[in-house]
Amino acid sequence: SAVISQKPSRDICQRGTSLTIQCQVDSQVTMMFWYRQQPGQSLTLIATANQGSEATYESGFVIDKFPISRPNLTFSTLTVSNMSPEDSSIYLCSVGTLGVGYFGPGTRLLVL
Amino acid sequence: GESVGLHLPTLSVQEGDNSIINCAYSNSASDYFIWYKQESGKGPQFIIDIRSNMDKRQGQRVTVLLNKTVKHLSLQIAATQPGDSAVYFCAERLANAGGTSYGKLTFGQGTILTVHP
Repeated sequence: SAVISQKPSRDICQRGTSLTIQCQVDSQVTMMFWYRQQPGQSLTLIATANQGSEATYESGFVIDKFPISRPNLTFSTLTVSNMSPEDSSIYLCSVGTLGVGYFGPGTRLLVL
Repeated sequence: GESVGLHLPTLSVQEGDNSIINCAYSNSASDYFIWYKQESGKGPQFIIDIRSNMDKRQGQRVTVLLNKTVKHLSLQIAATQPGDSAVYFCAERLANAGGTSYGKLTFGQGTILTVHP
């Protein structure tokens, strides 16, 4: 299994600001995934991040709001831009190994 | 940590009982299914998986049953323990999901399991 770490683990931000979340994996992986988990709800895929190409976004998510970087095979960032209270969620990084998705601990974001 | 299950279905059992958690999945073209356990303040943790060419798979204290006819998945936990208390999610993967099949999952609603000593 992959070991995934995320920074920050939690943050409280003011509306209108942006936050960049980092995801580090202990092994090289082709694809990394970013999920959002809103309070009291299940996980929703935001985008797939491939190294060397632009991220692929799911319906309802756009690059201007959630820009993603994937500079190498072990690291990715997700930025939540121009935040509003509706962006308060847990943001989770995931990688797939042999079909199984492994998840990081998540970043808990509260926007005031 | 905070609870992520404020609006999710709940199941309460006594320690030592067997638990059954159900999930209805959405896409008949899904070929792979996973059960995850999410404890408060943590990310989802893999429990067990099953491929669509199987109808049952057993692990340690857990069994997953798949009924493709009605698109239903269940997780059975034997001799449930207080440490099993968590939110449980099923997830499905579409076959040949645009070449990004590994890890691109659609998650079910989730169920809060509470085990009383």
